[in-house]
Amino acid sequence: GQQVMQIPQYQHVQEGEDFTTYCNSSTTLSNIQWYKQRPGGHPVFLIQLVKSGEVKKQKRLTFQFGEAKKNSSLHITATQTTDVGTYFCAGPNAGGTSYGKLTFGQGTILTVHP
Amino acid sequence: GAVVSQHPSRVICKSGTSVKIECRSLDFQATTMFWYRQFPKKSLMLMATSNEGSKATYEQGVEKDKFLINHASLTLSTLTVTSAHPEDSSFYICSASSRSWYSNQPQHFGDGTRLSIL
Repeated sequence: GQQVMQIPQYQHVQEGEDFTTYCNSSTTLSNIQWYKQRPGGHPVFLIQLVKSGEVKKQKRLTFQFGEAKKNSSLHITATQTTDVGTYFCAGPNAGGTSYGKLTFGQGTILTVHP
Repeated sequence: GAVVSQHPSRVICKSGTSVKIECRSLDFQATTMFWYRQFPKKSLMLMATSNEGSKATYEQGVEKDKFLINHASLTLSTLTVTSAHPEDSSFYICSASSRSWYSNQPQHFGDGTRLSIL
């Protein structure tokens, strides 16, 4: 079945350093979504990428979708303590009965040291 | 917009008890709701997909009789953990999507329910 792999599993950075998490799918995706889950909280939708090679920015966050639509990355510039949390990528399940199901990556747990 | 409310947020109960968790979409109609289970520092494991007015679709390995799902309206889905045992202790999260046939819609998550079975 479809697999979405995400690395690294953990990332510890000093405040002000950059951070990147990578997402790879075993199949071509129609789109990819990114979510953030704060410690003790629930996942919150960040963004969706649809087009091959698409790049979107949200303030210090830059999201990329690969040309082959099988990989994606999230880059945070100059991390802040508010960036702490787990970042998940997710791709829609293939198939006519998917009903909007998503396959989530394992997540990258980001810790920011002040 | 797109607020999903999940209740209760925490349950502690004895082994053998059945526990019902509610998931409500407050400001949109959720044709599809999803139930996930999450272990500490792990990813979201999809348990089942719930569509309004029809039977839920369970993922492989998830016991239908153990985890009863009902999606009686466009704003409410419930998950009942029947005869819960300590191994059922986990963080259960629901999410809702506004369209079941269009895979590009993001999912909006409830706050989750932390279930502890003694």
